[in-house]
Order: sequence, then structure tokens, then C-alpha cells
Amino acid sequence: KQEVTQIPAALSVPEGENLVLNCSFTDSAIYNLQWFRQDPGKGLTSLLLIQSSQREQTSGRLNASLDKSSGRSTLYIAASQPGDSATYLCAPRGGSSGSARQLTFGSGTQLTVLP
Amino acid sequence: GAGVSQSPRYKVAKRGQDVALRCDPISGHVSLFWYQQALGQGPEFLTYFQNEAQLDKSGLPSDRFFAERPEGSVSTLKIQRTQQEDSAVYLCASSPRDPLWQFFGPGTRLTVL
Repeated sequence: KQEVTQIPAALSVPEGENLVLNCSFTDSAIYNLQWFRQDPGKGLTSLLLIQSSQREQTSGRLNASLDKSSGRSTLYIAASQPGDSATYLCAPRGGSSGSARQLTFGSGTQLTVLP
Repeated sequence: GAGVSQSPRYKVAKRGQDVALRCDPISGHVSLFWYQQALGQGPEFLTYFQNEAQLDKSGLPSDRFFAERPEGSVSTLKIQRTQQEDSAVYLCASSPRDPLWQFFGPGTRLTVL
């Protein structure tokens, strides 16, 4: 069964810092991996999707990398802003066993960017 | 907007009551997923539909949970004889085809007293 770990569980940084959020997963036979943000009381907003054949994806100040063989992904946020404060969730899709379609989520990293 | 919508947004039930949660996916999206998110945790997969066919229900925690999508669009997640441990946010997601981005709704927060 796929297991996903996100480190750190919580992070507080001053505005303007660059930061890295880490995600590791146990089953490397994935189809893709999505990064989401979740604001309190809200649903999930998709940020980036990396296909299993790709190494990284970029969107604005966000860059996500994927090292499938070692079961790791990182989300890099450049020049952080208070509006980036949210919980960030990593979710690989598929694996050796179980459904190829379902996402398996980590518990998230709760990010606070201080003005 | 044209996103995934869910209703009700909040539901309070007494233990033992039956509840029904509705999901309206993005128009034309073939795939539909239900997830359960406990407080402080990431969402956990419950079930998956492709059109009206329920192809995977391996995540449903007990036979008290039932989901349907009879016409391949709107879906309903039903929980019978609710228990306190069913308290969670229930998220619905849809996808235009397999495999692609999953787009999530705002969720239904269920509280069982």
C-alpha cells in the first residue's frame, strides 16, 4: 500500500524567503504526482502535476521536482508571500497495488508566511 | 462558476441517522472520486466512478457507506446509521478523462453528534 510522508509538518517563515517542502512515497510505480494547496475550510486547489516521465514542472513562483526511483518530490516556493500561507499536500497517483486512478495523500505541510 | 460543487456544505447528524451528500462534477467530466478527510489529515480515497460505473470502492470503510452515479453525472454518497467516527470532510473530485488532473469541490463537513 502506498504511503506518503511530508516533512516538515509545519513551517513558519518571514516573507520573501525561498522554501522547500518535501514529500516521500514508498511505492515508486506511480503514474503522476500532484501538489495541492488547501486553505482552511476550503477544498483542494491543484498547483502542479508531474507525469512519471518528467523530472520537474514550473508554474510562476512554484517549481516541483520528481525523483521517481527514490520516491521523492519537492515543492520549491520562491519569494514567499503571506498569501502563500496554506496547507500543501502531495499526492502520487497509482502504485504497484490497488487502483491506478486514486490519489494517496500525505498529511500535508502547514505553511505560514509572516509579513 | 464551472467548478465541482457539493451540497450541503455542512451537515450535522445525530448518531444513527442516515445522510446523503451530493456532488455535481464539472460538466463532461468522465471520472468522479470521493475522498474522506479527517481533521489534520490528508484526504483518503473512498470510491471511483467512470461515467455511471463504480469501478473501485475499495476505500469505503464499511457497508454503511454507499455511493451512486446513476446517469454518469451527479453522484451521491450515502452513509447509513452514522457513527461519530464518520465525522470528517467529504471531498468530491472530477477528471475529464483518465489519467489527468483531479479537480476538487469545496467538500461537505459532516459532524455526527
